[in-house]
Amino acid sequence: EAQVTQNPRYLITVTGKKLTVTCSQNMNHEYMSWYRQDPGLGLRQIYYSMNVEVTDKGDVPEGYKVSRKEKRNFPLILESPSPNQTSLYFCASSRSGQGRREQYFGPGTRLTVT
Amino acid sequence: AQTVTQSQPEMSVQEAETVTLSCTYDTSESDYYLFWYKQPPSRQMILVIRQEAYKQQNATENRFSVNFQKAAKSFSLKISDSQLGDAAMYFCAYRSAGETSGSRLTFGEGTQLTVNP
Repeated sequence: EAQVTQNPRYLITVTGKKLTVTCSQNMNHEYMSWYRQDPGLGLRQIYYSMNVEVTDKGDVPEGYKVSRKEKRNFPLILESPSPNQTSLYFCASSRSGQGRREQYFGPGTRLTVT
Repeated sequence: AQTVTQSQPEMSVQEAETVTLSCTYDTSESDYYLFWYKQPPSRQMILVIRQEAYKQQNATENRFSVNFQKAAKSFSLKISDSQLGDAAMYFCAYRSAGETSGSRLTFGEGTQLTVNP
């Protein structure tokens, strides 16, 4: 089954404690992205990757890091989480090339930073 | 930069009736895609319908249809014969046809749809 998985699904942590949210896809997609969802703001792209070792900032990258060492994995790293990073996070992937390039979303990770 | 605006934070509809959700966008591009996503309480993002900007014909998927007005930069979603399972947050989204920003989607703020029995 084609899918994007994220772990953990729920996380409560304290300010300053480094954390990683993992994302993995089994569709051999080149493109992967991280979004955060906040009430009244919709989803906003944090970082994206167009292939292994190729990453770039999205609209709201401050306070986040990513890496793409393998094609299937795209972890999101919060080196020193702060309460304003409390949010719902989605990983998404799609193939490259012209055409529809459907985005597949993970199930979401609810993060609370106290 | 592209922007997407959903001016209706909340909407409600009676079961079996029709409701229209509004979306406007701003872009200087001529080739792009527009989407409506549904997010039920499970939080899963579900693609409802897609429209290619170069197609004049409005997309339709069963009870869901769009009214795409390219010149007005408007992209509304019509849900016919509303069902209780249609209750969800609905997001309008834009994607450039080019290969930039990793197929980035630009989302609107969302419209929370309630379906009353």
